[in-house]
Amino acid sequence: SQKIEQNSEALNIQEGKTATLTCNYTNYSPAYLQWYRQDPGRGPVFLLLIRENEKEKRKERLKVTFDTTLKQSLFHITASQPADSATYLCAGAGNNRKLIWGLGTSLAVNP
Amino acid sequence: DTAVSQTPKYLVTQMGNDKSIKCEQNLGHDTMYWYKQDSKKFLKIMFSYNNKELIINETVPNRFSPKSPDKAHLNLHINSLELGDSAVYFCASSPRDGGTGDTQYFGPGTRLTVL
Repeated sequence: SQKIEQNSEALNIQEGKTATLTCNYTNYSPAYLQWYRQDPGRGPVFLLLIRENEKEKRKERLKVTFDTTLKQSLFHITASQPADSATYLCAGAGNNRKLIWGLGTSLAVNP
Repeated sequence: DTAVSQTPKYLVTQMGNDKSIKCEQNLGHDTMYWYKQDSKKFLKIMFSYNNKELIINETVPNRFSPKSPDKAHLNLHINSLELGDSAVYFCASSPRDGGTGDTQYFGPGTRLTVL
């Protein structure tokens, strides 16, 4: 079945460093991938979308890549801040207008 | 000002009861969704409506029935609640038909606890 897999282990990094989160897809080829941020007790908030024919997309301190050979997307936050601490969800376009969601990776940025 | 709103935010009820959750979006979007997020934080699509027409109907118990009176509203009615229904239910909307590149805007969630 179509799957989106993210590292379930929490990522702890020091303020100012670059955080890199991984999203792998299996058993299908999504036309695009989306990244969302979810804070405790809140709904996910859309951050970035990258299409399969795009290698890289940037928005302020955020960068996302799409590698169709590795079947992987990487999500980077440069110059990370404690306010970036949250869970980051990857979602891939599935069949019939559905998004296939990963479980998310929890990021903690320590001051 | 609120884009996607849900009521209630918290719902605590006994097994066997029937309850409803309401969702409204003021973004002018064409498509609305219901998701269930369980204790493992997995987001599972349940239903989706495009301009009041049901377009996604996942394998959920038929105790769950969505209703879209107009494209700005999508309600979820749950009959005969069970312990396993305890979860956070999110409403979301997207501008177009949920297809290529359509991003989703989520409500704050309704935390349902069945005792």
